[in-house]
Order: sequence, then C-alpha cells, then structure tokens
Amino acid sequence: DTAVSQTPKYLVTQMGNDKSIKCEQNLGHDTMYWYKQDSKKFLKIMFSYNNKELIINETVPNRFSPKSPDKAHLNLHINSLELGDSAVYFCASSQENGYTFGSGTRLTVV
Amino acid sequence: AQSVSQHNHHVILSEAASLELGCNYSYGGTVNLFWYVQYPGQHLQLLLKYFSGDPLVKGIKGFEAEFIKSKFSFNLRKPSVQWSDTAEYFCAVNRETYKYIFGTGTRLKVLA
Repeated sequence: DTAVSQTPKYLVTQMGNDKSIKCEQNLGHDTMYWYKQDSKKFLKIMFSYNNKELIINETVPNRFSPKSPDKAHLNLHINSLELGDSAVYFCASSQENGYTFGSGTRLTVV
Repeated sequence: AQSVSQHNHHVILSEAASLELGCNYSYGGTVNLFWYVQYPGQHLQLLLKYFSGDPLVKGIKGFEAEFIKSKFSFNLRKPSVQWSDTAEYFCAVNRETYKYIFGTGTRLKVLA
C-alpha cells in the first residue's frame, strides 16, 4: 500500500510543452506539498495545501500551478516548460510534524 | 536569512567506522528538527525527529542525533556504519506551521 504516490515516475518532454504530475496520498493527512530537488540535491518547497487551501506559495514562476481537487490529491501543472525545470519533484504529505514523501518524478526537459 | 547548513557535502567512510554529520540552523526560538535519508534512486524517508524533551534522539537503523540548543545544532551519528548506509542525508527544520527548510544534503559513501 503506497502512502504517497506520484505519477509519472519519469517524464521527458520538449521545451515549451505543458505537463502535469499527479500526487495522491492515502494517509488521511490534511497537508500536502510539492518540493523541487535540483541537480545539486537541494530541496526547495514550492507549494503547500492544507485541506485544499493554498497556504504556501514560494517564489515559483507562475507557469507552475498546483491544483488540489480534494485533500488526498495535489497535482502540479507546468506550462511552457523550460530547460531549467529539469529536476526531481517530490510530493509529500503531513499531519503532525514530519513528512511522508512520494517516490519523486524525474522531469527532463530537452 | 533563515537557513539550515550541512557542512559536510561528501563523506566517505569504511564499514564499521563511526559517523557524525553536522547540521546547524539559524532560527531563534522553538524549532522542530528532522533527519531524512534518501537511498540511491529512492524517495526521502524519515530517520528521526526532535520536538522536545530528551535532546538525544534515537532513530531507525541505529542512527541517533543530539540537539544542542546553545550551538543551534542537530548532528546525526551512528557508531558503526554499514555499506547499506550509503545515501544522501538531509537535515530539516520546521519553525512555522507547514513550512520546512531543508539543508543541502550530505552524500555518504560507505566502502565495503
């Protein structure tokens, strides 16, 4: 039973395309996140939703748009992909302090 | 600026050697502290966490960490590493609700 699942695991796409990454958690957590891990393994928060409400929106280009249809799902849509968007994107959820992470989505923009 | 620093970027040890990875943070006041591990090709997993109480925290797989408030540190230790401990280790701090800041990670390689 996967607690936090992301799809797809790998995504290779051309510059300028629009793509989405999906995330679902079955832990009953109220809070979900998107983190970006760059090539130097630096983890940076992008967004956080609590009960479908956006509560953290860090300095992220507005080409990135999160959507939370319900508290178990937090999807990430990226418009007009750029080379610099290549990274591993991690979804996570939390109820008390401490995360449960998804397995990551490796996005490669060519 | 508020930050989390992991000074050791790459560590190479032989099996059975002792490990200590440094983590310092720059926040004042009450913080919650975490160590996460990322094995090659896998997702982040929680190793241990500190909220309050005993500053020496035991985690999974024989890891422990000590919170020293006066030094703003939360160093990770293991008395005897194994080859399977080869991974990337991330320190993280939670100060504001819903917001966590991660360090830049330490890549540990254990030689068999």
